[in-house]
Amino acid sequence: DAGVIQSPRHEVTEMGQEVTLRCKPISGHDYLFWYRQTMMRGLELLIYFNNNVPIDDSGMPEDRFSAKMPNASFSTLKIQPSEPRDSAVYFCASTSLGQFGNTIYFGEGSWLTVV
Amino acid sequence: GENVEQHPSTLSVQEGDSAVIKCTYSDSASNYFPWYKQELGKRPQLIIDIRSNVGEKKDQRIAVTLNKTAKHFSLHITETQPEDSAVYFCAAMEYGNKLVFGAGTILRVKS
Repeated sequence: DAGVIQSPRHEVTEMGQEVTLRCKPISGHDYLFWYRQTMMRGLELLIYFNNNVPIDDSGMPEDRFSAKMPNASFSTLKIQPSEPRDSAVYFCASTSLGQFGNTIYFGEGSWLTVV
Repeated sequence: GENVEQHPSTLSVQEGDSAVIKCTYSDSASNYFPWYKQELGKRPQLIIDIRSNVGEKKDQRIAVTLNKTAKHFSLHITETQPEDSAVYFCAAMEYGNKLVFGAGTILRVKS
């Protein structure tokens, strides 16, 4: 398996523009997570899905952020409008359900810079 | 919800010495505790994990211990090498497969 695939790997955009980050989870995984990593706040869970349904979006910072998972093999995280404080690395991760927890695999991340 | 605290935030050791990183968690229902290593510019990668029905697990130079009563778990790296230098994150998994991370420990191994 190719692992969790994210795109774009790097994006530089101007403040106010819409940003869309994409993720393809590992085939067969039924959980998908979006994390944000910054120096100040570490690794924060933004939202996660189970079987394409959002389960917990309490980590989404504000209404400018939205996430969708239209099918088992694709998810998007959208920021509209973007602001400089959104600059971070955004990781997508996936796993499958297990009684005692299963390994969560991360994608390579999308490095976002908002200028 | 779960809260994970990790100490120390930075750790510097001589090559060949041992390194220990400690974490505490708040939710007694958490049942899975992985450790991730993240090198500069890379993704977090799992190095070892432990489940709540086990007290200790070892994989070569890396070991993890779990004390469910005290709600803390630790990572032990023996015979450290320069390539062990990285950021290490502990995490605890709540009900529903929600993984909450500690703040991370920057480990520097000096040769």
